[in-house]
Amino acid sequence: QKEVEQNSGPLSVPEGAIASLNCTYSDRGSQSFFWYRQYSGKSPELIMFIYSNGDKEDGRFTAQLNKASQYVSLLIRDSQPSDSATYLCAASTSGTYKYIFGTGTRLKVLA
Amino acid sequence: NAGVTQTPKFQVLKTGQSMTLQCAQDMNHNSMYWYRQDPGMGLRLIYYSASEGTTDKGEVPNGYNVSRLNKREFSLRLESAAPSQTSVYFCASSVADNSPLHFGNGTRLTVT
Repeated sequence: QKEVEQNSGPLSVPEGAIASLNCTYSDRGSQSFFWYRQYSGKSPELIMFIYSNGDKEDGRFTAQLNKASQYVSLLIRDSQPSDSATYLCAASTSGTYKYIFGTGTRLKVLA
Repeated sequence: NAGVTQTPKFQVLKTGQSMTLQCAQDMNHNSMYWYRQDPGMGLRLIYYSASEGTTDKGEVPNGYNVSRLNKREFSLRLESAAPSQTSVYFCASSVADNSPLHFGNGTRLTVT
């Protein structure tokens, strides 16, 4: 069974700090990785995606991918209370149309 | 630009009743998906349509059927609802395989 694992949290960080969210995946064939933010009662919203080893930055968000360790992370700099949500990590493999989602990490940014 | 539109937003069914969840996207995406989300289980794929005219089973297809009506629309049908199908259902689309999914606002279904 292909899996994506995330710590359920909650991860609590003070406002202005860096939040670090982590995700591991079991399928070495996974090629694309996605981070979604989901507010309570709402639908998942794409934050970032990454295909290559290394870092990818977009504003306050940085995604990091290490395929050798099968590890994906999301850093949120200058965390704001509005960042409080559940963050879902997903992995997909070309040709399968199947995206495997983790159960999410709940982030709480304390004002 | 509406993105992915799902109807209805909420639905209550009695065991054995049937219903169809509708989904439409206006992004000219080729692929469409139906997921369900349950507490502690994450998002699980029910069915997907790689392109117009094709549909395939996902992880949890039992009790569901789908129709890819055209490139824009992908519906999910529950023929005989069961309490185990109480869940939040999300439709999603992507321009191609392995590219980001874009989700609709979801349908909260309760089966009593």
